Amino acid sequence: AQTVTQSQPEMSVQEAETVTLSCTYDTSESNYYLFWYKQPPSRQMILVIRQEAYKQQNATENRFSVNFQKAAKSFSLKISDSQLGDTAMYFCAFMGTHGSSNTGKLIFGQGTTLQVKP
Amino acid sequence: DGGITQSPKYLFRKEGQNVTLSCEQNLNHDAMYWYRQDPGQGLRLIYYSQIVNDFQKGDIAEGYSVSREKKESFPLTVTSAQKNPTAFYLCASRTGGSETQYFGPGTRLLVL
Repeated sequence: AQTVTQSQPEMSVQEAETVTLSCTYDTSESNYYLFWYKQPPSRQMILVIRQEAYKQQNATENRFSVNFQKAAKSFSLKISDSQLGDTAMYFCAFMGTHGSSNTGKLIFGQGTTLQVKP
Repeated sequence: DGGITQSPKYLFRKEGQNVTLSCEQNLNHDAMYWYRQDPGQGLRLIYYSQIVNDFQKGDIAEGYSVSREKKESFPLTVTSAQKNPTAFYLCASRTGGSETQYFGPGTRLLVL
């Protein structure tokens, strides 16, 4: 069974600095998707960035980028120029694509609470 | 304005009572999902449906039931068999050709 682990329950960063959130996963599949979702105090889940496993290039969305290491099964999120609005809980998630019945099931890590300090 | 709506925002359940959480989407998405979130934890899948009139159990389906009579709607019933229902419930949907799930605003369920 696939598992997702986020080993940092809480992190803090000063405004305008850079922070990296860690995520590791376990799977026997060769192709899959990885996601980072943000959950601010409103509790709305917002997609931050996604990565398809067969793509070598790391995904980037504005100030957010990932370091995807397939062999190490690692998928970290880097937030550059941190802003107060980045304060939220961040979840790493895995979705397999095995077989013809791609169910779209997401498997989530436990989350990392990020506090951006002024 | 396209999106996913969940109602109510807060719901209170008495002992032995069944309650139903609503999830509606106007995105024309084929698949819909229900997740449960406990404090300080990630989301866990309760049920999902990839097509109308069909649904499958997720990892924690015991004590819950669903229906999918219309493409736009995927209500979740928390039955009296669910002994620890206090949690935040999130509904999500995705279109068949996409890997990305989009989430509703959630329902907070509390037990009186």
